[in-house]
Amino acid sequence: DARVTQTPRHKVTEMGQEVTMRCQPILGHNTVFWYRQTMMQGLELLAYFRNRAPLDDSGMPKDRFSAEMPDATLATLKIQPSEPRDSAVYFCASGSGGTSGTNNEQFFGPGTRLTVL
Amino acid sequence: AQKVTQAQTEISVVEKEDVTLDCVYETRDTTYYLFWYKQPPSGELVFLIRRNSFDEQNEISGRYSWNFQKSTSSFNFTITASQVVDSAVYFCALSGHNAGNMLTFGGGTRLMVKP
Repeated sequence: DARVTQTPRHKVTEMGQEVTMRCQPILGHNTVFWYRQTMMQGLELLAYFRNRAPLDDSGMPKDRFSAEMPDATLATLKIQPSEPRDSAVYFCASGSGGTSGTNNEQFFGPGTRLTVL
Repeated sequence: AQKVTQAQTEISVVEKEDVTLDCVYETRDTTYYLFWYKQPPSGELVFLIRRNSFDEQNEISGRYSWNFQKSTSSFNFTITASQVVDSAVYFCALSGHNAGNMLTFGGGTRLMVKP
């Protein structure tokens, strides 16, 4: 049963600390997404990779957030320095397609619940 | 620009009632894809269905059914004979063909099914 995995599941940190979240997409999927979910803003897209190349990160605060895919089995989202307003659940999702073909569904990981004190 | 509106923020029903969750979308793409996801209290997002814009056939899967009406830009979701386990937040989402696989989510509808 293929699933997207995310670590850590929970993270509590203090303001100013660096936070790194990791995601392992489903094997064979060529697209990876990072979303942030808050009560106020709902689900927001932060970054989007296709074939490991970043395609869209317009939703991400560039001064403190960075997203990378060092290889096809690992995506990372880093916040440095973290702030209390970054407290949210961060989801990673993976999917296939997205070129001139069908836009297939995305499968979501369990999320990382981040609390910045 | 793409937009998804779920006007019902919260719905409460009693078990065995039928319930319909509304979804209205906006897009300039002529080819697009619509999705529904379920987020139970445990927090994960579970994929339910994907529908292409060129396929207006309604779909039924067990107690779930979806009504896609291009003329009104709506993709509504009905749960028949609701159960307590259906309690969750349900999200409608849209992906335009030219947007790659990027999803635009609605604000979600919280469904509470009481015993």
